[in-house]
Amino acid sequence: GAVVSQHPSRVICKSGTSVKIECRSLDFQATTMFWYRQFPKQSLMLMATSNEGSKATYEQGVEKDKFLINHASLTLSTLTVTSAHPEDSSFYICSASSPQGQRTEAFFGQGTRLTVV
Amino acid sequence: DAKTTQPTSMDCAEGRAANLPCNHSTISGNEYVYWYRQIHSQGPQYIIHGLKNNETNEMASLIITEDRKSSTLILPHATLRDTAVYYCIVDSGGSNYKLTFGKGTLLTVNP
Repeated sequence: GAVVSQHPSRVICKSGTSVKIECRSLDFQATTMFWYRQFPKQSLMLMATSNEGSKATYEQGVEKDKFLINHASLTLSTLTVTSAHPEDSSFYICSASSPQGQRTEAFFGQGTRLTVV
Repeated sequence: DAKTTQPTSMDCAEGRAANLPCNHSTISGNEYVYWYRQIHSQGPQYIIHGLKNNETNEMASLIITEDRKSSTLILPHATLRDTAVYYCIVDSGGSNYKLTFGKGTLLTVNP
């Protein structure tokens, strides 16, 4: 099946710094990618929809100026956590949609564990 | 809000079949039933999906009731590596495709 690669898998950063997470679709072009966040023992929560060539769409309660999303090509979306704080520590997961006939299927990256100290 | 209801947790003995139920009583005619699983500290993994008919692949079988209001994911011979949270999701899979995850079922396969 299709492959989505996320990098890095783990990152530790100091409070106040910014962290960039990459999400790549390796063998298909993805006009739409999604970013999720998952806190311990909780389910995945959608943060934003990343659209190639246009602005991302953020879910209610997600600060667009804090979580910058760039989808400059059909195979790459990036999420930058700006001025990170300990409460931003979480598991961030991306997914990319690929048309499969009349349906669209989602393929997930392996996730990025962010720890802000 | 998630459109599905699943038990919080289940246990299964290694080598036995694991049957994971899911209720989706408000499913629409154009919505598929998808199953994903998430092994600890990994991204979700697609398992199987279906619309009306039962489906089988190398990982699992999906049984959908005739009224489509519920379904069961069957792992025919569970192994320890099948321990994960299993998510049942209904979605039309259209162009504006984004998945809404519920709490899922934590399946623990015991030796």
